[in-house]
Amino acid sequence: DQQVKQNSPSLSVQEGRISILNCDYTNSMFDYFLWYKKYPAEGPTFLISISSIKDKNEDGRFTVFLNKSAKHLSLHIVPSQPGDSAVYFCAASEGNTDKLIFGTGTRLQVFP
Amino acid sequence: DADVTQTPRNRITKTGKRIMLECSQTKGHDRMYWYRQDPGLGLRLIYYSFDVKDINKGEISDGYSVSRQAQAKFSLSLESAIPNQTALYFCATSHRTGKSQGHEQFFGPGTRLTVL
Repeated sequence: DQQVKQNSPSLSVQEGRISILNCDYTNSMFDYFLWYKKYPAEGPTFLISISSIKDKNEDGRFTVFLNKSAKHLSLHIVPSQPGDSAVYFCAASEGNTDKLIFGTGTRLQVFP
Repeated sequence: DADVTQTPRNRITKTGKRIMLECSQTKGHDRMYWYRQDPGLGLRLIYYSFDVKDINKGEISDGYSVSRQAQAKFSLSLESAIPNQTALYFCATSHRTGKSQGHEQFFGPGTRLTVL
């Protein structure tokens, strides 16, 4: 049973436009959410996170939105750049466990 | 700088062989994790350790064992490798920072394991 879902396996966006990556979850006990970026032949790297007490967190070109009632979060990248082309994973954790549950990933391609 | 290192980076082995994947970290973190990544399945937790004397099973621990030799070292073993253990394996570390809820985990570069 997939507790964290990324229903779009891939996304293609033109350079300079907005990229929106989506993630849904089923466990209402999740209270912390993270986005990771992964390039080929490298490990995932942390990008941005949000606590369940917030509905938005922004870091430069990256903004994460959380809608707890819909159990949905999204990552906005504005403006998108070719170097943003990677696989993006959302992840969630519950309480003090520090265990992360990952989604299946979305491959973002930013073209010129 | 390679804060989390994994050896080997690539390994091809045969069914039934014993394999050990090693992870070392210089971040001073107390918590370490092993994940595997399969196409279309994301990252799944195999084992995790919150300190040297604490080892816990993750969601897919069958067929695997781990050893936390020191705070900085966490190894994953496949006692008798089988083809469906062919995957990309990642080690990660984290350090809980009290109320700041430092859930962020820091990943190594991965080991690509192929079991023939």
